[in-house]
Amino acid sequence: ETGVTQTPRHLVMGMTNKKSLKCEQHLGHNAMYWYKQSAKKPLELMFVYSLEERVENNSVPSRFSPECPNSSHLFLHLHTLQPEDSALYLCASSQGGSDTQYFGPGTRLTVL
Amino acid sequence: GIQVEQSPPDLILQEGANSTLRCNFSDSVNNLQWFHQNPWGQLINLFYIPSGTKQNGRLSATTVATERYSLLYISSSQTTDSGVYFCAVGGQGWGAQKLVFGQGTRLTINP
Repeated sequence: ETGVTQTPRHLVMGMTNKKSLKCEQHLGHNAMYWYKQSAKKPLELMFVYSLEERVENNSVPSRFSPECPNSSHLFLHLHTLQPEDSALYLCASSQGGSDTQYFGPGTRLTVL
Repeated sequence: GIQVEQSPPDLILQEGANSTLRCNFSDSVNNLQWFHQNPWGQLINLFYIPSGTKQNGRLSATTVATERYSLLYISSSQTTDSGVYFCAVGGQGWGAQKLVFGQGTRLTINP
């Protein structure tokens, strides 16, 4: 596979569930990102990992917990979410800071 | 933080027409990208253009960093150009990684 992949592509979960989103990049990049796209709002940066260290946590609630075990994989662990957390969650990667970010296809999350 | 404004919010054109999309930003940037989001949500890179001019087929982009704006030109539009176009900018130093997105321009190309 090439580029940035995300699984699952669609996820429906209840407010009491725990689930995880997975992102994998096949580009040899050293930085990875989580973004959230809600209806009628601009894409919002959630987390930035550079060389597997979290360098940005953009005031995201603790019910979202990121994990970056190596430079190719990024997870977003979800627990006790709210219906307003329903959104498209996008993963991206780049080589270095001021460089092109490449996005995965996203996971469309619905919280019931 | 950096503010990003895109205009127009919506644009409806006939196939074959040309279009210009604008992105204004409020501060110096080290990163500026244009994306096309298809109906399935995939963000497709169009240009990485913090300054200067680039062309790729029917698309071209110009960023005038000193005046804090960027333009995306689409010539001879096709129905497959429909979708939402986003401008995203990143600031100085570590800020270059923290892309701030505009609200997008929704482009509809009618046959």
